[in-house]
Amino acid sequence: GDSVTQMEGPVTLSEEAFLTINCTYTATGYPSLFWYVQYPGEGLQLLLKATKADDKGSNKGFEATYRKETTSFHLEKGSVQVSDSAVYFCALVGRNAGNMLTFGGGTRLMVKP
Amino acid sequence: EAGVTQFPSHSVIEKGQTVTLRCDPISGHDNLYWYRRVMGKEIKFLLHFVKESKQDESGMPNNRFLAERTGGTYSTLKVQPAELEDSGVYFCASALNGGGGETQYFGPGTRLLVL
Repeated sequence: GDSVTQMEGPVTLSEEAFLTINCTYTATGYPSLFWYVQYPGEGLQLLLKATKADDKGSNKGFEATYRKETTSFHLEKGSVQVSDSAVYFCALVGRNAGNMLTFGGGTRLMVKP
Repeated sequence: EAGVTQFPSHSVIEKGQTVTLRCDPISGHDNLYWYRRVMGKEIKFLLHFVKESKQDESGMPNNRFLAERTGGTYSTLKVQPAELEDSGVYFCASALNGGGGETQYFGPGTRLLVL
C-alpha cells in the first residue's frame, strides 16, 4: 500500500537558519503530494501541495518540489522564524486510493530566538 | 466562511463508556473524512462520506465505531464501548469535489482520552 516516510523530530533550529524536512513516499502511479502544518493548539492546515512531477509547491516562504525520480517531496525554507514552530506532516493521495490522505509520522520543528 | 468545526474539543471518559464526536464540514462540501492519530503515531484514515453515503470505510478499526452523516450535512462518530487504545486525536476534514489533488480542510480535532 501507499506510505510516507519523513524524518523524525524534533528538529531544533535557531531563527534565520535553513530548514529541510525530508519526505519520501511509496505509491502506485503518480500521487498528489501535500505538506500540512499543525501549530500549537490548532488543527491541520494545508501548507502547500504539488499534483504532478516537477511541480513546486510554495507558501509562506516554504517550498517543496515533487521529485518522481527520487520519490521525494522535501520541505525547505531559507530562513525560519520562531512562529514556524509547529508539527509538519507530509502526505499523499494515491491515484487509486479514492481521496484518502496517507500521512507520514510528523516532524516537530522548534525554532529558538 | 466558517471552517470545519468539531465538538467537543476534548473528551475524557472511562473504558466501556460511549462517546459521540461531531463534525460540521464547510458548507457545500459534499465530501467528509474522518481521521485519527493515536498516541503520537501517524494520522490514519478512518472513512469517507460523499453526501450521506459511505464511500470508503476501509479504515474503521472495528465495529465499536459507527459513523453517520444523516442528510449529508454534519457527521457523528460514535465509539461504543470505548477502549483504552481509542485514545487519541480525531480529525474531521471536508472537500468540495473529492478529487485526488483537491485540498482537504481540517477541523481542530477532538482529543479523546479513555481511562
